[in-house]
Amino acid sequence: KAGVTQTPRYLIKTRGQQVTLSCSPISGHRSVSWYQQTPGQGLQFLFEYFSETQRNKGNFPGRFSGRQFSNSRSEMNVSTLELGDSALYLCASSLEGGINTGELFFGEGSRLTVL
Amino acid sequence: AQSVAQPEDQVNVAEGNPLTVKCTYSVSGNPYLFWYVQYPNRGLQFLLKYITGDNLVKGSYGFEAEFNKSQTSFHLKKPSALVSDSALYFCAVRDLGKSTFGDGTTLTVKP
Repeated sequence: KAGVTQTPRYLIKTRGQQVTLSCSPISGHRSVSWYQQTPGQGLQFLFEYFSETQRNKGNFPGRFSGRQFSNSRSEMNVSTLELGDSALYLCASSLEGGINTGELFFGEGSRLTVL
Repeated sequence: AQSVAQPEDQVNVAEGNPLTVKCTYSVSGNPYLFWYVQYPNRGLQFLLKYITGDNLVKGSYGFEAEFNKSQTSFHLKKPSALVSDSALYFCAVRDLGKSTFGDGTTLTVKP
């Protein structure tokens, strides 16, 4: 069974540009969540999608957005990039046996560098 | 609001010795608690979880965790550490579908 796949794995952008990251969850998983990981802030929750609906949102500015498609694949977009957006962006999927009881399965992450 | 604290940034143990990585939590409802491990340049991997029932939870790679409701703790343990256990460990609490992670504890196991 294939794991969570994130693309691209590495990317470099300049300030002011925008970026789109993609995540394919494990087959059968309908919940997809996104996290930002930085050395200073640790793991910060961005948002969670379930059946194409955003169910939860973290404390990030509106420049960060996401969506989920009918096949459960998800994308997140960051517009007007800032230097502080440099981070490892992790996607995780979950089999919804219960909203809080399912463990997360993480992808390898997309490492974004903003110059 | 839910929160997780991992009081130790770093834990060092010798191979073969028991290890403990500490975690305390705060949540308004029932605690759903998880441990994950992250190796360099990789995503997080699930180790074990506490949902309900027995306070001692067993997980992957010989790890276990003890849930203590009165102390609001969920410490990760292993009876005999391996060098290959060296990694970054995260405790997490989940509520309303949102997972909140601790800052992580770097475990170093020396031969």
